[in-house]
Amino acid sequence: SQQGEEDPQALSIQEGENATMNCSYKTSINNLQWYRQNSGRGLVHLILIRSNEREKHSGRLRVTLDTSKKSSSLLITASRAADTASYFCATALTQGGSEKLVFGKGTKLTVNP
Amino acid sequence: DTGVSQDPRHKITKRGQNVTFRCDPISEHNRLYWYRQTLGQGPEFLTYFQNEAQLEKSRLLSDRFSAERPKGSFSTLEIQRTEQGDSAMYLCASSPSRARTDTQYFGPGTRLTVL
Repeated sequence: SQQGEEDPQALSIQEGENATMNCSYKTSINNLQWYRQNSGRGLVHLILIRSNEREKHSGRLRVTLDTSKKSSSLLITASRAADTASYFCATALTQGGSEKLVFGKGTKLTVNP
Repeated sequence: DTGVSQDPRHKITKRGQNVTFRCDPISEHNRLYWYRQTLGQGPEFLTYFQNEAQLEKSRLLSDRFSAERPKGSFSTLEIQRTEQGDSAMYLCASSPSRARTDTQYFGPGTRLTVL
């Protein structure tokens, strides 16, 4: 079963605008990661935020984590056509010693030139 | 290229046939994972190896599925008596052992189509 739920499911914006995607999850986590997937390709890791962190930046990416609300957001600033892809949040769970990542269904982002 | 590689990239087979996929992780990554992704969904965990030991298996991994990592390097995922419901992208990922649930590096995937 998938724990994370991204919102919105699809997002279409113009180049230069900011894109915000949200992720909610259900159980306690060790960390939360965001991945990008271009159509029909493998996943590329974007950023990891640990449960004791609240905000993290990497280039044009900004991730926030609110463990009290069990939610995270990914902000892409000054979007480019090349940012068009599906974005997934993945949670690393703490229970049961599991090593797996649990992915949401993703947000499909389209950046129009 | 030192990324995760998977072979083949595409596989078309008839229902009832057996298929085997290979994954070569990043060198010196001792953790290896298999995921399955169907259209419009996120990847779902199948199984996990630390070196040659298979430490976790999902309930999704039915008896028709078997995975091995015999020497702690490359891994194979075999599906016996394939069914149309097995059609999906099979993703392999690897990670180093510095910390639990650290970043996982994904391969390009093997897309399986069962006719």
